[in-house]
Amino acid sequence: KQEVTQIPAALSVPEGENLVLNCSFTDSAIYNLQWFRQDPGKGLTSLLLIQSSQREQTSGRLNASLDKSSGRSTLYIAASQPGDSATYLCAVTNSGYSTLTFGKGTMLLVSP
Amino acid sequence: DGGITQSPKYLFRKEGQNVTLSCEQNLNHDAMYWYRQDPGQGLRLIYYSQIVNDFQKGDIAEGYSVSREKKESFPLTVTSAQKNPTAFYLCASSMDRGQFYGYTFGSGTRLTVV
Repeated sequence: KQEVTQIPAALSVPEGENLVLNCSFTDSAIYNLQWFRQDPGKGLTSLLLIQSSQREQTSGRLNASLDKSSGRSTLYIAASQPGDSATYLCAVTNSGYSTLTFGKGTMLLVSP
Repeated sequence: DGGITQSPKYLFRKEGQNVTLSCEQNLNHDAMYWYRQDPGQGLRLIYYSQIVNDFQKGDIAEGYSVSREKKESFPLTVTSAQKNPTAFYLCASSMDRGQFYGYTFGSGTRLTVV
């Protein structure tokens, strides 16, 4: 059964820092990996989607990498801002039955 | 704008009562999903449907039921058999079962037992 782990569970940084969120998964038979953002009490907003054949995706200050063979992904946030404060969730689409498996998330706080 | 609409935003259930959460999408997506989110446990799959009039149980289907009579709609009923229903419920959809285009989520319904 697929398991997704996110490290760290929580992170607090001052504004302007570059930071890295980590995600690992146990079964490499995936179609893709998706990073989401969740604000308190809200739904999920998709940030980046990386296909299993890709190594990375970029959107603005966000860059996500994928190493499928080692079961790892990182989300890099450049020049963090207070508005980046949220929970970041990593999820993989499992091959065969096409369902998402989520990590428990990293809660990020960026202080002014 | 295309998207997923979940209603109501907040729902209160009395003990022994069935309640239905609504999920509607205008994205023309074939597949729809229900997830439950509890603090510290992440999101867990309740039910999913890849085509109209067909659905499959997820990891935690006990105490829940669904229907998929229309492509746009995938309501979730929380029955009295669900002993701990207080949670945040999220509906999602995908065009191609998530294989290439990923998933889109609604804004959620918070269910509380009173």
